[in-house]
Amino acid sequence: GAVVSQHPSRVICKSGTSVKIECRSLDFQATTMFWYRQFPKQSLMLMATSNEGSKATYEQGVEKDKFLINHASLTLSTLTVTSAHPEDSSFYICSARAPDGFNSYNSPLHFGNGTRLTVT
Amino acid sequence: EDKVVQSPLSLVVHEGDTVTLNCSYEVTNFRSLLWYKQEKKAPTFLFMLTSSGIEKKSGRLSSILDKKELFSILNITATQTGDSAIYLCAVPPSNTNAGKSTFGDGTTLTVKP
Repeated sequence: GAVVSQHPSRVICKSGTSVKIECRSLDFQATTMFWYRQFPKQSLMLMATSNEGSKATYEQGVEKDKFLINHASLTLSTLTVTSAHPEDSSFYICSARAPDGFNSYNSPLHFGNGTRLTVT
Repeated sequence: EDKVVQSPLSLVVHEGDTVTLNCSYEVTNFRSLLWYKQEKKAPTFLFMLTSSGIEKKSGRLSSILDKKELFSILNITATQTGDSAIYLCAVPPSNTNAGKSTFGDGTTLTVKP
C-alpha cells in the first residue's frame, strides 16, 4: 500500500533556530501534499497545501514566511519552521493522496508518522 | 464551505462497552465520507462510505452512511483498550485531486480496563 515517510519523528531545537521537516511519498507520486498541525487530543488543523512545482496554498492565519513549504519533486515536500519559538512547539503531520484510478480525489489520505517539535 | 461536525468530542467507556460515534456533514458536492483512527502517530484509514444504508464492517468496527440526513456513524462493539484513539471523520474535496479534505474535530475515545 501507499506509504508516506516523515522525518524526523522528533526534534528539539533552541528558540530562534530553523527546523526542516521532510515528507516523502515512497511508492507513489504526489503532486499535492498537505501539512497539518495538531494539538493534544485535538483534530488535524490544515496549515497548507503543498503543490509540486508551484507555490503552496496557505490556510488563513498561517504565516507563510514562518512556515516555508517547498515541493521540489513529485515525492518530496518539506516544511521549514523558521526562527522557531516555544509557541511553535507542536505535532506536525503530512499527508498525501495516492492516485486511485479515475477518482483520485476520493481515495484515502496516507499520513506520515508526524514530527514532534519542541522549541526550548 | 464544507463542514464536518463530530460528536461527542470525547468519550470514556469500559472494556466490553459498545460505542457509537457520530459525524454530520454539509458539503456542496458530496462524493464520500471517510473515517480514520489515530493512535499516537499517523491516522490510519478505516472506511470510505459512498452509498446510503450499506454497512461497512471490519471486525468489531462498522460504519454506515445516511445521505438523506447527512450523517454517518461509526460503531465499535466489545471495546478494548486498544481502541483508545482519536477517531476522525472527513470528506474529500468536491471535484479535484488537489483540493483539501475537510476534517471534523475528532472524537477522543478512551477505553478503560
